[in-house]
Amino acid sequence: DVKVTQSSRYLVKRTGEKVFLECVQDMDHENMFWYRQDPGLGLRLIYFSYDVKMKEKGDIPEGYSVSREKKERFSLILESASTNQTSMYLCASSLARVTEAFFGQGTRLTVV
Amino acid sequence: TQLLEQSPQFLSIQEGENLTVYCNSSSVFSSLQWYRQEPGEGPVLLVTVVTGGEVKKLKRLTFQFGDARKDSSLHITAAQPGDTGLYLCAPRRPGTSYGKLTFGQGTILTVHP
Repeated sequence: DVKVTQSSRYLVKRTGEKVFLECVQDMDHENMFWYRQDPGLGLRLIYFSYDVKMKEKGDIPEGYSVSREKKERFSLILESASTNQTSMYLCASSLARVTEAFFGQGTRLTVV
Repeated sequence: TQLLEQSPQFLSIQEGENLTVYCNSSSVFSSLQWYRQEPGEGPVLLVTVVTGGEVKKLKRLTFQFGDARKDSSLHITAAQPGDTGLYLCAPRRPGTSYGKLTFGQGTILTVHP
């Protein structure tokens, strides 16, 4: 079975902190994605990566950066967390020719 | 960015009722996926439709892709409490980066026993 693992289920951080959200997949997938999920807004794509060190902006990249140094790991970075970044963050992975995206269980981030 | 609209946003029904959820856009899709997300979990793929007019069935769920490939619907027959969840469509548009996967805002379905 494909497994996408997010490092934390719940995180509480202070405004201005640098925050790292980690995601690891074990199926050698080329694509990895970061989404945020807010009530009434569905899943909004922040960034996705189609290969090691390769990335493309999604619909809401402002305030975020990403890192993909190894194929299995995709990190989302909040350089200076703000309260409007309080949300559920979902990581996903898929093969290069997307037939199915596999999701982690999500990280609920609260910025206080 | 072309708008993608899912409707209704919320749906609350009794067990045994039928329902339909819609995913519409003014632009053409090359394919479309439907996902379901249960509380506390990530979304899980239900189906992928590719051909205009295509109909796929998954037990009590029927998925249809519009003839012009601009819309899709999900029909559930005799809904059960286990169908409760967030239903998301994820279209793929011609010319976009092949790996990019974006979603509609979703329909929250609650089925009461």
